[in-house]
Amino acid sequence: GQQLNQSPQSMFIQEGEDVSMNCTSSSIFNTWLWYKQDPGEGPVLLIALYKAGELTSNGRLTAQFGITRKDSFLNISASIPSDVGIYFCAGLGISTSGTYKYIFGTGTRLKVLA
Amino acid sequence: DSGVTQTPKHLITATGQRVTLRCSPRSGDLSVYWYQQSLDQGLQFLIQYYNGEERAKGNILERFSAQQFPDLHSELNLSSLELGDSALYFCASSVGETSSYEQYFGPGTRLTVT
Repeated sequence: GQQLNQSPQSMFIQEGEDVSMNCTSSSIFNTWLWYKQDPGEGPVLLIALYKAGELTSNGRLTAQFGITRKDSFLNISASIPSDVGIYFCAGLGISTSGTYKYIFGTGTRLKVLA
Repeated sequence: DSGVTQTPKHLITATGQRVTLRCSPRSGDLSVYWYQQSLDQGLQFLIQYYNGEERAKGNILERFSAQQFPDLHSELNLSSLELGDSALYFCASSVGETSSYEQYFGPGTRLTVT
């Protein structure tokens, strides 16, 4: 099935460093969401973006909805060990057939070294 | 705790069998979504129901079907199971019908087909 391109696929960082990841698509979306998934758990919603150009923060997290509506990025500042997990982006929009589409990214696996 | 519940948590069955996964959405949410996540893979959207009616279809196989009941809980039926159907199946819910509402995920059902 279709997935959004998310990069990097994985990253190891030192505690305290800032992290940046992005998500790109060939089609436009009306909403971008960012989720974090811990092993064996369901994804947890971190940030939702509804307008092109929108920049939204949630604590140490900041995400932006790209102007072209085809991309989004997520930044994590001053990372801590509990930031470990897999981060997924998701694009929500209308398909060419007029039905809703929900497409998830391939995921960025984050590991934080204490 | 997202407020979305799924049962069972784990399910082991043999090829060719049929299983039913159950999901109860958050209180007040009218939409239910089903996703499949294979090992180390992203989330594949299967199907959405809103207030009892099918609203969107993703990569759902013909062997799979779902429904949403008047009390808004939903069931995903998987039949003629194959080894490749082994995966985590997540249910998510949202308050609205359209693609602009954020989704909240349940803890998932891990299906193992032997």
